[in-house]
Amino acid sequence: DAKTTQPTSMDCAEGRAANLPCNHSTISGNEYVYWYRQIHSQGPQYIIHGLKNNETNEMASLIITEDRKSSTLILPHATLRDTAVYYCIVRVQTRGYQKVTFGTGTKLQVIP
Amino acid sequence: DTAVSQTPKYLVTQMGNDKSIKCEQNLGHDTMYWYKQDSKKFLKIMFSYNNKELIINETVPNRFSPKSPDKAHLNLHINSLELGDSAVYFCASSLTPSQGGYNEQFFGPGTRLTVL
Repeated sequence: DAKTTQPTSMDCAEGRAANLPCNHSTISGNEYVYWYRQIHSQGPQYIIHGLKNNETNEMASLIITEDRKSSTLILPHATLRDTAVYYCIVRVQTRGYQKVTFGTGTKLQVIP
Repeated sequence: DTAVSQTPKYLVTQMGNDKSIKCEQNLGHDTMYWYKQDSKKFLKIMFSYNNKELIINETVPNRFSPKSPDKAHLNLHINSLELGDSAVYFCASSLTPSQGGYNEQFFGPGTRLTVL
């Protein structure tokens, strides 16, 4: 799986958009970008994933650059409950084999 | 209606003991996983089972033995516990691509193991 680089930590004001960047410059054509988050003392939670196109769901939006070397997770209106560590992962979606390698992630602190 | 549950939530034990952690999922998934999160918060996969068959076995000491009695359960037994085994252990489950799922993994709440 391709390696990812994320900032160690970020702050965001409550109610504002949180934009979390991720670099994956060695990503290959069949690798997807996944985002998970881990709220303190809980298990990781899936947020969103994508291959080429931008994606949006009820939790967030994922913007992937045209060359696919980087992406940004957007939480449109951050709340205090969004304070968590956010992990960007790139991996191949293969049949029956799902080894997800988590990096160090970005610790997002939402400030009142 | 918990999706992925683990027991116990906390486990404190002495070095050298043998202990088990249980995991159950009611999502109808056929793939389950065990992850270890150490004190530095690195989350590493240990094992994965698909339809009760071991498909991923990372470099884990053979003191760790997963057991999957059925698709909904994946238990982790640890023999001769060592200080370095202290960590939070997460169970997870997912569909496999052959079932048309998005491969998202659903994680349990974790079991905090402390070895004294």
